[in-house]
Amino acid sequence: DTAVSQTPKYLVTQMGNDKSIKCEQNLGHDTMYWYKQDSKKFLKIMFSYNNKELIINETVPNRFSPKSPDKAHLNLHINSLELGDSAVYFCASSLNRGQGADEQFFGPGTRLTVL
Amino acid sequence: DQQVKQNSPSLSVQEGRISILNCDYTNSMFDYFLWYKKYPAEGPTFLISISSIKDKNEDGRFTVFLNKSAKHLSLHIVPSQPGDSAVYFCAAQAGANNLFFGTGTRLTVIP
Repeated sequence: DTAVSQTPKYLVTQMGNDKSIKCEQNLGHDTMYWYKQDSKKFLKIMFSYNNKELIINETVPNRFSPKSPDKAHLNLHINSLELGDSAVYFCASSLNRGQGADEQFFGPGTRLTVL
Repeated sequence: DQQVKQNSPSLSVQEGRISILNCDYTNSMFDYFLWYKKYPAEGPTFLISISSIKDKNEDGRFTVFLNKSAKHLSLHIVPSQPGDSAVYFCAAQAGANNLFFGTGTRLTVIP
């Protein structure tokens, strides 16, 4: 009964391939996120969806396309993978209370290695 | 340009002593600050937060102090326990749902 789950946990692929990472939360949260943690351990937001609508889209190459089929799922599709995409990708979710500290719940991460 | 900085990549403390983790930020518009704890191969988990209108928040062994004039916050853990060994991330919130994270400090509590 994991709160925020991601699959796969590890992903090794060749440059130029297209891959997807799936995320599901069973917390009933309205908002979901994708973060990238690079080799310098810098955890940076990529996208945020609220009730299936995109609300935050940081400066991310358009090779990255999030898709939210329903508010419990936020998948990340990456086209034409590059070496620099190698990182750990974290999915997260939170209640959208509109006020107060935004306590986000994170998945275990997906370590993507592009060869 | 990193808006949240944790300048100490690591910290070692004896069990039972106090651990102090520091964080600096640049944006005076942040309205909440949060600390997350991360074990290897797991995602970060929320630990404690503080509103920008307060200067202290305490939860059990964990206390967060905020110095707005210095744009500095710290997390105090006392007494430190071996199970506290993890990477601690400081995060600052700008509006709803937008967190900026620091690069983390690895805390090792020595038994």
